[in-house]
Amino acid sequence: DAKTTQPPSMDCAEGRAANLPCNHSTISGNEYVYWYRQIHSQGPQYIIHGLKNNETNEMASLIITEDRKSSTLILPHATLRDTAVYYCIVSGNNNAGNMLTFGGGTRLMVKP
Amino acid sequence: GAVVSQHPSWVICKSGTSVKIECRSLDFQATTMFWYRQFPKQSLMLMATSNEGSKATYEQGVEKDKFLINHASLTLSTLTVTSAHPEDSSFYICSALYPLAGSWGYFGPGTRLTVT
Repeated sequence: DAKTTQPPSMDCAEGRAANLPCNHSTISGNEYVYWYRQIHSQGPQYIIHGLKNNETNEMASLIITEDRKSSTLILPHATLRDTAVYYCIVSGNNNAGNMLTFGGGTRLMVKP
Repeated sequence: GAVVSQHPSWVICKSGTSVKIECRSLDFQATTMFWYRQFPKQSLMLMATSNEGSKATYEQGVEKDKFLINHASLTLSTLTVTSAHPEDSSFYICSALYPLAGSWGYFGPGTRLTVT
């Protein structure tokens, strides 16, 4: 799997947008970008994923650069409950059974 | 989203005993499940890939005779920690692969194992 680079920590004010960057410069053509988050002592929660187009769901938006070497997860209106470790993962088509390899993630602290 | 459960949510056992952890996909069939281990303040580390009806594939450094994995049905995988020692104390998390193209894994809530 391609490696990803994320800042170890970020702060965000409650109600503001949280923009979490991820670099994945060695991503290959058939690899997806996945985002998960882990709240303390819980299993990771799926947020969103994409291949090359920007994606949006009820939780977040994913912006992938045209060269696919980086992406940004956007939480449009962060709340205190969004405080968690956010993981950006690059992996192949899961029909092939490719596993999700976790890096260090970004610890997002949403402050009142 | 899809639901993955784990049982038990926490367990305390004595050194030398064995512990079984169950991972179930509740509303979908998962031919592939993954087992992870997470130590305090660290990221998740993949231990093994479990495929229904076949032997598990273990990551380098993970003892297959110590961490027994059985994926006997499309909704259940079990991880048995044999002859547990205090250093096996950790947070064990399973993930079930959702069977759609380009899809993703749903994770269980985790099992906290403490070996005394």
